[in-house]
Amino acid sequence: EAQVTQNPRYLITVTGKKLTVTCSQNMNHEYMSWYRQDPGLGLRQIYYSMNVEVTDKGDVPEGYKVSRKEKRNFPLILESPSPNQTSLYFCASGQGGAGKYEQYFGPGTRLTVT
Amino acid sequence: QKEVEQNSGPLSVPEGAIASLNCTYSDRGSQSFFWYRQYSGKSPELIMFIYSNGDKEDGRFTAQLNKASQYVSLLIRDSQPSDSATYLCAGRGVENTGFQKLVFGTGTRLLVSP
Repeated sequence: EAQVTQNPRYLITVTGKKLTVTCSQNMNHEYMSWYRQDPGLGLRQIYYSMNVEVTDKGDVPEGYKVSRKEKRNFPLILESPSPNQTSLYFCASGQGGAGKYEQYFGPGTRLTVT
Repeated sequence: QKEVEQNSGPLSVPEGAIASLNCTYSDRGSQSFFWYRQYSGKSPELIMFIYSNGDKEDGRFTAQLNKASQYVSLLIRDSQPSDSATYLCAGRGVENTGFQKLVFGTGTRLLVSP
């Protein structure tokens, strides 16, 4: 089954404790992206990757890191989480290329930082 | 700043009626648009995309694009209570790097009453 998976689905942590949210897709998509979703603000892009070893900042990259060492995986790293990073996080992937910009979303990770 | 605007709603319609969801965008360079449905606490799910001016129909859904007016809409015929969700409009913007990213609106909440 074609899918984007994320782990963990729910996470409660404390300020400053490093964490990683994993994202994996089995569709051989070149493009992957991380979003956060907050009430009233919609989906905001954190980082994206066009292919292995190619990443760039989205609209709200502060406090986050990413890496793309393999095509299927795109982990999101919070080196020192703060309460303002409490949010619902989505990973997405897509084929890219002319006319193919549909993105498919993972199930989401609800993060609470206390 | 490229923007996609949606009325947050809620838009309330009775079962069996036509629901009309609207979206405007600021970037005249945007070429394609996507409608996602998101149930509460779930991930966005792609339901329609449209690249050309005019209408595109898929089952009970019709997407409409008017590039001159910078306006996109989604019509849902014979609305069902199961259509109650938040509908996200997204436009494909072109960055100066050539990378084409999706810009999301904040979504319109649709409520279909039995």
